[in-house]
Amino acid sequence: GAGVSQSPSNKVTEKGKDVELRCDPISGHTALYWYRQSLGQGLEFLIYFQGNSAPDKSGLPSDRFSAERTGGSVSTLTIQRTQQEDSAVYLCASSPGQVRRTGELFFGEGSRLTVL
Amino acid sequence: RKEVEQDPGPFNVPEGATVAFNCTYSNSASQSFFWYRQDCRKEPKLLMSVYSSGNEDGRFTAQLNRASQYISLLIRDSKLSDSATYLCVVNIQMTALIFGKGTTLSVSS
Repeated sequence: GAGVSQSPSNKVTEKGKDVELRCDPISGHTALYWYRQSLGQGLEFLIYFQGNSAPDKSGLPSDRFSAERTGGSVSTLTIQRTQQEDSAVYLCASSPGQVRRTGELFFGEGSRLTVL
Repeated sequence: RKEVEQDPGPFNVPEGATVAFNCTYSNSASQSFFWYRQDCRKEPKLLMSVYSSGNEDGRFTAQLNRASQYISLLIRDSKLSDSATYLCVVNIQMTALIFGKGTTLSVSS
């Protein structure tokens, strides 16, 4: 389809393992965002990529979290040495430009991470 | 203090009721404001933008009060299909959208 695609849709891992989550944004969208949502909680901003600018990493909760965006398209969120509190749904979104005018982010269906 | 605060609810209302949600934001530099809707186990989707002059879309009216740093969403003639979580969202210049935790609405017949 033409929407934001995320993989895996579900990931169960053991505490201490590393995980990689992938996001394919909508073609042509210059902005890409990662959020996470824990059970019963709102969306927590993690990181934001806009074109070729340096990413806004201000939301990353610890240095175990990192993300990259290759070729201005696909993004990978990496969590090292996972902890149980990392369990959440990780949502990726994209937008065609700076979002402050339209406010419209196009979200993927999310990657549900469970750390045992 | 959270950047965006909402009453979590739940708001349980009968069909046809009018319901209002409120939201406050802490950063006076916030520039743009939105309401998103999130259905259970689904991704959030943009519902509408919020302007100081007010914004109406059918049964939905959104209002912004910059002086009070307060945003509202009014839903008239509630439908069963309006049952969802409503997320208040603000944007501060050159940053990503900041989401509130959401207010849950349940409309019953």
